[in-house]
Amino acid sequence: NAGVTQTPKFQVLKTGQSMTLQCAQDMNHEYMSWYRQDPGMGLRLIHYSVGAGITDQGEVPNGYNVSRSTTEDFPLRLLSAAPSQTSVYFCASSFTLGGVETQYFGPGTRLLVL
Amino acid sequence: EDKVVQSPLSLVVHEGDTVTLNCSYEVTNFRSLLWYKQEKKAPTFLFMLTSSGIEKKSGRLSSILDKKELFSILNITATQTGDSAVYLCAVSTGALNFGKGTSLLVTP
Repeated sequence: NAGVTQTPKFQVLKTGQSMTLQCAQDMNHEYMSWYRQDPGMGLRLIHYSVGAGITDQGEVPNGYNVSRSTTEDFPLRLLSAAPSQTSVYFCASSFTLGGVETQYFGPGTRLLVL
Repeated sequence: EDKVVQSPLSLVVHEGDTVTLNCSYEVTNFRSLLWYKQEKKAPTFLFMLTSSGIEKKSGRLSSILDKKELFSILNITATQTGDSAVYLCAVSTGALNFGKGTSLLVTP
């Protein structure tokens, strides 16, 4: 298994540009989520999905869109990038067994918005 | 609003010292508490705790959960420079709620 993969690893955008951060997992996990990590702020949940066709907002959803057309893929879209979106983005997938959740993280995408 | 608070925010110790990292939480629908170690990459999983009073151990690291007082501790004994990292606590309520982390620096 490749686990959770993210592309690109690093991206530079200009203010107002759009882009999609890709996330894929091959473990057949139903639950996937996107986090951003900023210095002094820890990891904050942007959007999450409990299965194909179902998405919901997390703590900091503004400026981001997601979709979940398949179990494997959970792309994160920035419609009009802003410098405040400069961050490291982590995608994660998880499964629940016996009521206990285990999460797997992707390697991260470092985004710089100028 | 769900809340996870870690302390201290940063810590500097000498090799061989023992450290205790704290994580307190206030959440609805608690499922589990997880500890992660993060170096310059994605967080890596350390422990998952679901029951009070049962210590989890892995080498020099150990952790315990108190669901009555709503906190967990992560202990690292005989610290090494390779233990230098940010240690993240997260509480699962369906989504993962992270604390801000404790930055640990172990000096030779």
